[in-house]
Amino acid sequence: DIQMTQSPASLSASLGETVTIECLASEDIYSNLAWYQQKPGKSPQLLIYDASSLQDGVPSRFSGSESGTQYSLEINSLQSEDAATYFCQQHHDYPYTFGAGTKLELK
Amino acid sequence: QVKLQQSGAELVKPGASVKLSCKTSGYTFSTSYMSWFKQIPGQSIEWIGMIYAGDGGTGYNQKFKGKATLTVDTSSSTAYMDLSSLTTEDSAVYFCARKGWYFDFWGPGTMVTVSS
Repeated sequence: DIQMTQSPASLSASLGETVTIECLASEDIYSNLAWYQQKPGKSPQLLIYDASSLQDGVPSRFSGSESGTQYSLEINSLQSEDAATYFCQQHHDYPYTFGAGTKLELK
Repeated sequence: QVKLQQSGAELVKPGASVKLSCKTSGYTFSTSYMSWFKQIPGQSIEWIGMIYAGDGGTGYNQKFKGKATLTVDTSSSTAYMDLSSLTTEDSAVYFCARKGWYFDFWGPGTMVTVSS
């Protein structure tokens, strides 16, 4: 199975700041990566697919990028509603696998 | 608009089976994929498998083969997941989500608690 190593496990940031969350794939996944936001007691919401394509309705302050097998989610101009847990997911090979998650707290 | 409605919480005894449902609306179910996931609260997400509603073709995570069985009823645009021989390790929230590779619409989840 492809392992997705996500970091950091948690982070705290202030309103208006920019944060970056990273996922390292254990092998080449050819940009087949998605990012999700999940709030407590809710289902995940798709933010980014194919590493950098913004899902319809998602604010443009969310963006995705890649460098080799390292994938990043950047959130600019943090808003209070961005407090959540974020997961990456590879959709290159079965079984699809997720990162462990990053819990973002707003100061 | 696309909606996925999941069945209510289940409390089941060890060794029993349970059938979860995911009723859809707002898109063409019969030509779509549906995937299922397991999440223990506070932990990450596991992909269980997916089914193509057009022909019932399935693909499973090896970890869940023999545990989960996916089916669909195209007449009611509903997907189902049977979980068998339940143990306490199967206690989790189970989600359905549209599509078969990345997942754009998710159901609210069904909590399954396995306890004697």
